[in-house]
Amino acid sequence: DQQVKQNSPSLSVQEGRISILNCDYTNSMFDYFLWYKKYPAEGPTFLISISSIKDKNEDGRFTVFLNKSAKHLSLHIVPSQPGDSAVYFCAASAGWISGTYKYIFGTGTRLKVLA
Amino acid sequence: EPEVTQTPSHQVTQMGQEVILRCVPISNHLYFYWYRQILGQKVEFLVSFYNNEISEKSEIFDDQFSVERPDGSNFTLKIRSTKLEDSAMYFCASSRSRDAYFGPGTRLTVT
Repeated sequence: DQQVKQNSPSLSVQEGRISILNCDYTNSMFDYFLWYKKYPAEGPTFLISISSIKDKNEDGRFTVFLNKSAKHLSLHIVPSQPGDSAVYFCAASAGWISGTYKYIFGTGTRLKVLA
Repeated sequence: EPEVTQTPSHQVTQMGQEVILRCVPISNHLYFYWYRQILGQKVEFLVSFYNNEISEKSEIFDDQFSVERPDGSNFTLKIRSTKLEDSAMYFCASSRSRDAYFGPGTRLTVT
């Protein structure tokens, strides 16, 4: 059941450059998308989200782009910093169904920012 | 900034024993969740809880699992008779609307 896919298991980027993390989904009912950052042995930390009525959302160094026709979203981190090194998960939700906003997670992309 | 807290951070138990994992969600949140991540695998949905009842559960959440919000602040996950394959990080999450915030997790090791 791979409804949310992150096809790149890892990514290395030089400090100061842009990091682009990608995520694809298959379920057209998904209408809300979130990005989380996770360090080993810690919980996912919420970074940024986007509703399907938008195609871009920005928060500081983080920007998420949504292409609904391609069922694709991306997270841009500019400029990348060594502290950004972590595993990044995208998650998707299909709206209010039976009293829940259930989130389906991708498999994660390990980002390494090189100093 | 308010955050979700979980206790204990690490729980070791023997197969067949009962465990209770505890969570304190963010105080004005309405929706509560348990997720788990087996080592090296993806974060998986277990159960969601709203208005004092389970709103959805996954196929993983069988009769061995139960959740409770006993006092309006704590949110617990009970596993009645643990199996080796229950070893995982268990994450509690809460949300007021659509942005869910996760706790630091409890590492459950079943021996």
